[in-house]
Amino acid sequence: GDSVTQMEGPVTLSEEAFLTINCTYTATGYPSLFWYVQYPGEGLQLLLKATKADDKGSNKGFEATYRKETTSFHLEKGSVQVSDSAVYFCALSGDGGTSYGKLTFGQGTILTVHP
Amino acid sequence: KAGVTQTPRYLIKTRGQQVTLSCSPISGHRSVSWYQQTPGQGLQFLFEYFSETQRNKGNFPGRFSGRQFSNSRSEMNVSTLELGDSALYLCASSLNLAGTEAFFGQGTRLTVV
Repeated sequence: GDSVTQMEGPVTLSEEAFLTINCTYTATGYPSLFWYVQYPGEGLQLLLKATKADDKGSNKGFEATYRKETTSFHLEKGSVQVSDSAVYFCALSGDGGTSYGKLTFGQGTILTVHP
Repeated sequence: KAGVTQTPRYLIKTRGQQVTLSCSPISGHRSVSWYQQTPGQGLQFLFEYFSETQRNKGNFPGRFSGRQFSNSRSEMNVSTLELGDSALYLCASSLNLAGTEAFFGQGTRLTVV
């Protein structure tokens, strides 16, 4: 079945540092890939997405490129802010019939940014 | 445009009781999915409904059930509650087009005592 693996956390950075959160996936066919962010006490918000190989999703300074050859979708940001502190989830949506409405999530990475 | 609305936000129930959670999707969205979030298991898919039909189901016992109404609003029910059912239950709605994202509600925090 489909699966998503994220780098172990938590990740602690100083403001303006470079961020990378690794994400790899296992899926048949051509899944769509997403990064969601969750702030304390909230649901999940879509951060960015990519729907086919070599697509780059970007939003609010965050970027991730859909690499089919390495089955990866790493999240990057050049300069993090304190307000980026949250939990980040990598997720995929399969393209098969058994994937209707189903997102498969990684375990989440806690990011804390200090001033 | 209103987002996904889940009610109630918080619930405390006793073991053995049952509970019903509600989700109103974004207007025009006909696909509604439910997820359970716990510190130990992370985010796990429960089931998905489209046009009042369950199309997909995760690996949860039969105590977990759901339904969708003609206006796309959805409910999930958990019977004979166990302590391990304590979790954040998240509802998501989408347009049901390939590659489109799901929009999540704020969730219902269920505590079983």
